[in-house]
Amino acid sequence: DTEVTQTPKHLVMGMTNKKSLKCEQHMGHRAMYWYKQKAKKPPELMFVYSYEKLSINESVPSRFSPECPNSSLLNLHLHALQPEDSALYLCASSQATGNTEAFFGQGTRLTVV
Amino acid sequence: GQQLNQSPQSMFIQEGEDVSMNCTSSSIFNTWLWYKQDPGEGPVLLIALYKAGELTSNGRLTAQFGITRKDSFLNISASIPSDVGIYFCADPSKAAGNKLTFGGGTRVLVKP
Repeated sequence: DTEVTQTPKHLVMGMTNKKSLKCEQHMGHRAMYWYKQKAKKPPELMFVYSYEKLSINESVPSRFSPECPNSSLLNLHLHALQPEDSALYLCASSQATGNTEAFFGQGTRLTVV
Repeated sequence: GQQLNQSPQSMFIQEGEDVSMNCTSSSIFNTWLWYKQDPGEGPVLLIALYKAGELTSNGRLTAQFGITRKDSFLNISASIPSDVGIYFCADPSKAAGNKLTFGGGTRVLVKP
């Protein structure tokens, strides 16, 4: 089983809303990632968690707040987003960081209005 | 930082054709990952390469880890319409800061 599950699949939110994206994997992976992808561009790394600790933050604005409640779950809390934050948000996991294969979820299509 | 350059940026395929794309790096790699992404979906891992010179197949797909460790090739044989999508190479290595960095992608389209 190489499944990473993301919910919701689609989300529309206003600029004053607070919402959360969720990601779950049951492969025993200890590294989890959040990516943002705009149309016709490659995924851009936002955050990396390794053993439930934030190890990389790619200078992401504070209106995006990641959380890793346990080794299977990864959340991305959203608050006061801008229309330019509309994108496909992808979660991935791998056995560990470094030279290992990473598996992606189907993504959440976020639209900020 | 490490840069991944993919070429071509886009290509048209006709059913039955063999196609090839490549990825080059500004520095030495230890691992190459190849992904395919369909519109609105997450990338799907196709092939992982771990050794210089390694040649690995997955169905009609074949990928090679270049001897110089700075490039990789992905070939699709006898292409079919569902091969349409975007193909990305990616580097998960410590040398890239454990960041799983992606190349710009090769967009495969069907010849009209």
